[in-house]
Amino acid sequence: AQSVTQPDIHITVSEGASLELRCNYSYGATPYLFWYVQSPGQGLQLLLKYFSGDTLVQGIKGFEAEFKRSQSSFNLRKPSVHWSDAAEYVCAGVPGGYQKVTFGIGTKLQVIP
Amino acid sequence: DVKVTQSSRYLVKRTGEKVFLECVQDMDHENMFWYRQDPGLGLRLIYFSYDVKMKEKGDIPEGYSVSREKKERFSLILESASTNQTSMYLCASNGGPSYEQYFGPGTRLTVT
Repeated sequence: AQSVTQPDIHITVSEGASLELRCNYSYGATPYLFWYVQSPGQGLQLLLKYFSGDTLVQGIKGFEAEFKRSQSSFNLRKPSVHWSDAAEYVCAGVPGGYQKVTFGIGTKLQVIP
Repeated sequence: DVKVTQSSRYLVKRTGEKVFLECVQDMDHENMFWYRQDPGLGLRLIYFSYDVKMKEKGDIPEGYSVSREKKERFSLILESASTNQTSMYLCASNGGPSYEQYFGPGTRLTVT
């Protein structure tokens, strides 16, 4: 089945450390890919998206993600994490031509002082 | 800014009650979606609508129905609530060729 997978359910990093959250996809063609952030008790907010073109995508809040076709990955990165980045991060994807987006189960990020 | 609002943030209902969850978007989007979100399962699509009075079943439609009488409003109905419908319900919308979805704040429903 076509899907996205987030292998890490929970990640803890120290404030100021770098961050990389993993997302793998299994679509036949190049999909549209997204990263969302969800603060506790809130809806999802779009961080960034990849449709085509440059494989390094810049988003809001200092996040970026890199599309790697050879690894079927779309990992989210941030060079220096702030305590306010503690949240759930959800990767999502959709094959072109469809509207039904598939969401990963999310990675919960904890930031320690 | 796109705004998607949901009628309640928290809701407590009894088993067997009929429950209405309402969602309104203000960006004239054609497509609207209802998801439920459960720990370890992520977001699962219940129903979506691509036009007024049009609806399509998602991955888990059993026990739910929807209504879209106006473009901006998409309602989720639980005809007879059951305890296994206790969950976080998220509404989303998108429009045109964009696949990115805009989400409401969610309704945490507890069925006792």
